[in-house]
Amino acid sequence: DAGVIQSPRHEVTEMGQEVTLRCKPISGHDYLFWYRQTMMRGLELLIYFNNNVPIDDSGMPEDRFSAKMPNASFSTLKIQPSEPRDSAVYFCASSPPRRPYEQYFGPGTRLTVT
Amino acid sequence: DQQVKQNSPSLSVQEGRISILNCDYTNSMFDYFLWYKKYPAEGPTFLISISSIKDKNEDGRFTVFLNKSAKHLSLHIVPSQPGDSAVYFCAASVRFYNQGGKLIFGQGTELSVKP
Repeated sequence: DAGVIQSPRHEVTEMGQEVTLRCKPISGHDYLFWYRQTMMRGLELLIYFNNNVPIDDSGMPEDRFSAKMPNASFSTLKIQPSEPRDSAVYFCASSPPRRPYEQYFGPGTRLTVT
Repeated sequence: DQQVKQNSPSLSVQEGRISILNCDYTNSMFDYFLWYKKYPAEGPTFLISISSIKDKNEDGRFTVFLNKSAKHLSLHIVPSQPGDSAVYFCAASVRFYNQGGKLIFGQGTELSVKP
């Protein structure tokens, strides 16, 4: 049974470039979450969706960040333009219906912006 | 403003002994609490949870205790095994009123279990 799939696993890009992170949630899960982990701020929620609809995006740091969920099996997190302070590990997680707090995390994407 | 705090960044325990990981929170609206375990280069894995209407929940070697008056919870691992060595995150949520998905995580405690 496949878990949450994220791609790429590692991304190195130059400041100013657009970065797109991808996530495939577990089949049957209807919640999807994007998190960012840094040494300074720990693990923080950026945005989450329920049934493909964004529910809470209060954690999105600024307009350079955007997230979409065009269907139940795919989501993207885009950073445009990227900055060195965006360097972090980005996790996607999904959870089953009526149990949004039991979240299954993907392996993460380590982003480095130089 | 850190609503969920894990004040010990690391903990070292001998194999077979008890590991106790602590977590404090400030928001009295939190009504559901969870522990996640994270190995290097992997995402966090859900371990155990507890509702605010309970004060204890047990699952095999893992027990979570909740003290609402002190706004404190702890995770006990008995007996500790070397495979338990990982970073443990405490998380809290307000389950109802459309906020059930919003988990607030602590900074994590790195547990090392020595053979």
